[in-house]
Amino acid sequence: ETGVTQTPRHLVMGMTNKKSLKCEQHLGHNAMYWYKQSAKKPLELMFVYSLEERVENNSVPSRFSPECPNSSHLFLHLHTLQPEDSALYLCASSQAIGGYEQYFGPGTRLTVT
Amino acid sequence: AQSVSQHNHHVILSEAASLELGCNYSYGGTVNLFWYVQYPGQHLQLLLKYFSGDPLVKGIKGFEAEFIKSKFSFNLRKPSVQWSDTAEYFCAVRGSQGNLIFGKGTKLSVKP
Repeated sequence: ETGVTQTPRHLVMGMTNKKSLKCEQHLGHNAMYWYKQSAKKPLELMFVYSLEERVENNSVPSRFSPECPNSSHLFLHLHTLQPEDSALYLCASSQAIGGYEQYFGPGTRLTVT
Repeated sequence: AQSVSQHNHHVILSEAASLELGCNYSYGGTVNLFWYVQYPGQHLQLLLKYFSGDPLVKGIKGFEAEFIKSKFSFNLRKPSVQWSDTAEYFCAVRGSQGNLIFGKGTKLSVKP
């Protein structure tokens, strides 16, 4: 256990559905991240939050909408996804933005049908 | 743009063989480098990291990595692998926004 939890662990959704992924960290960290892990591609950064403010949006389509209500929780709201969005979505946290170790959650395996 | 290259997609070794996984990064400034491991069905875990100082970094489970600035490399090594080392290994460099930029990963299969 890394102190970062993600729910659900698996999610199957249709292209017209709306769902949300949840991440919670119990480490007292101030920065949180969403990454996408697709087969045969490097982990891609999606969003970075520092002290609940979005710092980085790596040109992610608007069908992905992040929310960070406090420094312990991070959500990824999903709507009208495409089959190519099927991937493992990883949440991570770190003490702060910068050269700090990131702690990863187990991920949510998303399948879009 | 910063990037990380891992040259080996899949490495297959027998137990007790020595391991070296290549990693090259493209970034000319101060680098923070990481190796993460992902065991089957588990989350990414930090193996070791380099920020400054001794370029030979020792991590958990007998792994080490050497930072060679002139070669922009940070190769991962282990003298004698075990079956339990079967996993996927990711090299990463800290990006300009504080995020991590990962390589594509190297799958290691260790035959008992």
